[in-house]
Amino acid sequence: SYELTQPPSVSVSPGQTASITCSGDKLGDKYVSWYQQRPGQSPLLVIYQDNKRPSGIPERFSGSNSGNTATLTISGTQPMDEADYYCQAWDSGKVVFGGGTKLTVL
Amino acid sequence: QLQLQESGSGLVKPSQTLSLTCDVSGGSISSGGYSWNWIRQPPGKDLEWIGYIYQSGNTYYNPSLKSRVTMSVDRSKNKVSLNLSSVTAADTAVYYCARGAAEAGTYWFDPWGQGTLVTVSS
Repeated sequence: SYELTQPPSVSVSPGQTASITCSGDKLGDKYVSWYQQRPGQSPLLVIYQDNKRPSGIPERFSGSNSGNTATLTISGTQPMDEADYYCQAWDSGKVVFGGGTKLTVL
Repeated sequence: QLQLQESGSGLVKPSQTLSLTCDVSGGSISSGGYSWNWIRQPPGKDLEWIGYIYQSGNTYYNPSLKSRVTMSVDRSKNKVSLNLSSVTAADTAVYYCARGAAEAGTYWFDPWGQGTLVTVSS
């Protein structure tokens, strides 16, 4: 079955750029979505179709996808961005989630 | 603004059936060609997609759970339901309802309900 791999944790200083990766076989041939989950909250869509932002999501969130790796980039990271981030793709009619990355802003 | 609210049995005994409902407000289940999905997250663990149902009643379940899952839709009440049979402790999780959108080989979930915790224990 298809698998998506994320680093367990990423740390970033406030105001700096955070990059969270998601790896999978030929992932660049698929579309990737990203979700933010703050503690005790439900996931929130922040990126879909690799690089599109839903209404209401700040411009500092961006995405890219090429080769075997998709990347969520948060520019000018704010303390409120501290959360778990999950990537997600669609493979052979099945939804696949990555294992999640805990973003720490310190 | 579309809102989803899960409800149902919070405590289920092993081998019994877990039953949950997702009430949709601020929009119709029957509009827009969206799917209605169930996704779960065991405490401290990753997200697992359970499956989806369309307003037509068409379903698709995660193969790993397919033998135990049944989803239904009630268009008159604007709600979808999930039944998961023969539960074990491994089914303990927060269960989310989410609207799914599909386009050109991609699929995403927006919005999500707040989730409901289901514990399987005797």
